[in-house]
Amino acid sequence: EVQLLESGGGLVQPGGSPRLSCAASGFTFSSYAMSWVRQAPGKGLEWVSGISNSGGGTNYADSVKGRFTISRDNSKNTLYLQMNSLRVEDTAIYYCAKYRSSGWYSDFDFWGQGTLVTVSS
Amino acid sequence: DIQMTQSPSSLSASVGDRVTITCRASQGINNYLAWFQQKPGKAPKSLIYAASSLQSGVPSKFSGSGSGTDFTLTISSLQPEDFATYYCQQYNSYPLTFGGGTKVEIK
Repeated sequence: EVQLLESGGGLVQPGGSPRLSCAASGFTFSSYAMSWVRQAPGKGLEWVSGISNSGGGTNYADSVKGRFTISRDNSKNTLYLQMNSLRVEDTAIYYCAKYRSSGWYSDFDFWGQGTLVTVSS
Repeated sequence: DIQMTQSPSSLSASVGDRVTITCRASQGINNYLAWFQQKPGKAPKSLIYAASSLQSGVPSKFSGSGSGTDFTLTISSLQPEDFATYYCQQYNSYPLTFGGGTKVEIK
């Protein structure tokens, strides 16, 4: 059974730099691209960032480019999102999501339960 | 960026009703279209991918159709567990984009 378990969220001050983690199990983690998707309270879904199965390729939404860094450790079956220079508008539930394939042009077949990041002073 | 427009944004329906939700892309996305269901306080769940392929384990009352710019999600006979918010998403090009959601409520 595929499981994705996010952690690292919480209350952060503007300008803070938390790191989110997503522990994966139930599939061959190194074979699949992974992504982060966020959802502000009461709002819709927004894609944040994606990473190839090897970690050699990454991409970002313009809203986070230059502030967030996605990475993965295939030996630990873990996906990360380093978030820097946080803004109030980054407040959201952050979901990690598994791509259906190793490639970029694929949908998400499984999602984690999410971790809430609240940016407030 | 490709804009995804869902309609309606909300609807009220009764158990047993047939429900159709539409999603329009601002430019052609071939069939690179997915549908997700989200219940309050829960993560999104995959329903449909490649516009019309059913995710494993999803009941056949859900179906998807369309290609190019216009797509639909149909629930053939609405059940109590289907009351939720539904999102479409394109994966034809980056940035990946989602529709604004359709909230399906009980009439």
